[in-house]
Amino acid sequence: QVQLVQSGAEVKKPGASVKVSCKASGYTFTSHAIHWVRQAPGQSLEWMGWINAGNGKTQSSQKFQGRVTITRDTSASTAFMELSSLSAEDTAVYYCARDSTMIGPLGCFDPWGQGTLVTVSS
Amino acid sequence: EVVMTQSPATLSVSPGERATLSCRASQSVSSNLAWYQQKPGQAPRLLIYGASTRATGFPARFSGSGSGTEFTLTISSLQSEDSAVYYCQQYNNWPRTFGQGTKVAIK
Repeated sequence: QVQLVQSGAEVKKPGASVKVSCKASGYTFTSHAIHWVRQAPGQSLEWMGWINAGNGKTQSSQKFQGRVTITRDTSASTAFMELSSLSAEDTAVYYCARDSTMIGPLGCFDPWGQGTLVTVSS
Repeated sequence: EVVMTQSPATLSVSPGERATLSCRASQSVSSNLAWYQQKPGQAPRLLIYGASTRATGFPARFSGSGSGTEFTLTISSLQSEDSAVYYCQQYNNWPRTFGQGTKVAIK
């Protein structure tokens, strides 16, 4: 079955960077885009960006431009999201999710990874 | 960006009763609207896509309707396992945006 498995929880200091991984299985990794979404404690969901797992093209939300880098390793069927210049406001659960379509990032998100808690604290 | 507004914020419904959740977009998103179910400590799970198509694994008591700017998620006969937060999301425009969620509780 299609599955996305993310890396474990992280604790970072303000100003540091964090890199979260998302390993895909059960489908051809390069045929679907991967999105990144975060959820602060008690809050709603916030889309951060996506990567075309086939050609590596990326797009990120204007809110995170300059701070987020999304990459992939096709040999490992893994996508990565790196967020820099962390502050307490970046404390959240970070999710990866597969785009539902095979023709680009045009669909909804299904399935989702289990989430990675990133805590930013001095 | 397209602002998604959900109402009510919280809904308390007795088992077997109908639950109706609303989602409004600040501009037309056609039928590119999804609903997700999120239970405590879990990742969101796709429930409805294309505004009205039920995702695999969800029973027929869940249904979606609407297009343009007004959308509805209906749970026809609420079961205890339906207690969760439900989010709508538009995937018609960039950036992708989500509503604030409706928490469905069992009365």
